[in-house]
Amino acid sequence: DQQVKQNSPSLSVQEGRISILNCDYTNSMFDYFLWYKKYPAEGPTFLISISSIKDKNEDGRFTVFLNKSAKHLSLHIVPSQPGDSAVYFCAASFTGGGNKLTFGTGTQLKVEL
Amino acid sequence: DAGVIQSPRHEVTEMGQEVTLRCKPISGHDYLFWYRQTMMRGLELLIYFNNNVPIDDSGMPEDRFSAKMPNASFSTLKIQPSEPRDSAVYFCASREQGLYGYTFGSGTRLTVV
Repeated sequence: DQQVKQNSPSLSVQEGRISILNCDYTNSMFDYFLWYKKYPAEGPTFLISISSIKDKNEDGRFTVFLNKSAKHLSLHIVPSQPGDSAVYFCAASFTGGGNKLTFGTGTQLKVEL
Repeated sequence: DAGVIQSPRHEVTEMGQEVTLRCKPISGHDYLFWYRQTMMRGLELLIYFNNNVPIDDSGMPEDRFSAKMPNASFSTLKIQPSEPRDSAVYFCASREQGLYGYTFGSGTRLTVV
């Protein structure tokens, strides 16, 4: 039972354009969401997060949007750069949920020149 | 701070053999997590510890898997006997009390032939 879903296994975007990565979740108890970025042969690294009391959080070129009614979040990267090419994982947690993160299957982003 | 250190980086073993994966968390981090990455399921939580005590091992696939944390600076994940379907990348992660974001190690790529 995949509680966090990333339905697009891959995404290709041209340099300078916007990248939009999507994530859906089924557990309405989730109240904190994170995005991790993973390069080959490395562990995932934290990118950006959002609490369920907000609908948007921005950090430089990265913005995460949360739509609680739709149980959907998205990560926007503007402008996309070749160094952004990586696998992006969406993750979720909930208060009282044992402090553990539930991850999605990941989306491979390729930013082309 | 050397980060989360995992060893070995790569392990190739024959079916039926015992495999031991090792992890040294970041000093001062209270939580340690073991995840497995596969294409089909993304990052799956296997087990996590709080202050060296196993809290949730519901993600451990079967009795062939076991994990220990004898002290705050060391944990092992053991598979005995190993099977080809155990082939995956295994990540260890740690975090501080009160924070959501994890720091991951670089992973161990396990191949069982």
